[in-house]
Amino acid sequence: GENVEQHPSTLSVQEGDSAVIKCTYSDSASNYFPWYKQELGKRPQLIIDIRSNVGEKKDQRIAVTLNKTAKHFSLHITETQPEDSAVYFCAASIGTNAGKSTFGDGTTLTVKP
Amino acid sequence: SAVISQKPSRDICQRGTSLTIQCQVDSQVTMMFWYRQQPGQSLTLIATANQGSEATYESGFVIDKFPISRPNLTFSTLTVSNMSPEDSSIYLCSVADQTANYGYTFGSGTRLTVV
Repeated sequence: GENVEQHPSTLSVQEGDSAVIKCTYSDSASNYFPWYKQELGKRPQLIIDIRSNVGEKKDQRIAVTLNKTAKHFSLHITETQPEDSAVYFCAASIGTNAGKSTFGDGTTLTVKP
Repeated sequence: SAVISQKPSRDICQRGTSLTIQCQVDSQVTMMFWYRQQPGQSLTLIATANQGSEATYESGFVIDKFPISRPNLTFSTLTVSNMSPEDSSIYLCSVADQTANYGYTFGSGTRLTVV
């Protein structure tokens, strides 16, 4: 089955700096790659996603890049703010939407003011 | 995005008993997914609940331990049976939300503690 590896497990940045989280996946049939943000005590929330027919997608300060050949995708957060502090999960699923998704282990991002 | 009502939000249960978790979605969805998230860890898929057919379980999860019902396109239940302390976890239901680009929308979660 699919295996998703996520790095780093923890990331600490100064407010205003950029943060990058990377994931690799194993199943070349995967086509849908979402990122979820989970604040302490809350449910995960979708923040951005990308499908295999594009290489990059951007939404304000957040961007995701995908390299299907290398089977890796990354989350980029620019101009980080303290409210970006949370656990971020990447995921991968076969098909074009979040069917059976396999999640990475998560990255705890801390943005220091 | 879709609105999912999940209950109970938390419970403390005696070992050997069972707990049924309910999820109600405000729109019809073909599949609902049940996940477990142990404290400080990632999300692990337990099973996929399809309306009108048996749920599909992932490796390591069995129907006798986690029976699932899916009586219609807006509702599902997950039962955690014959509980042990190892079942203490957060249980989340989710749907592939067409209003959220078909990413997951999650229920608010059920924090289960088995004593």
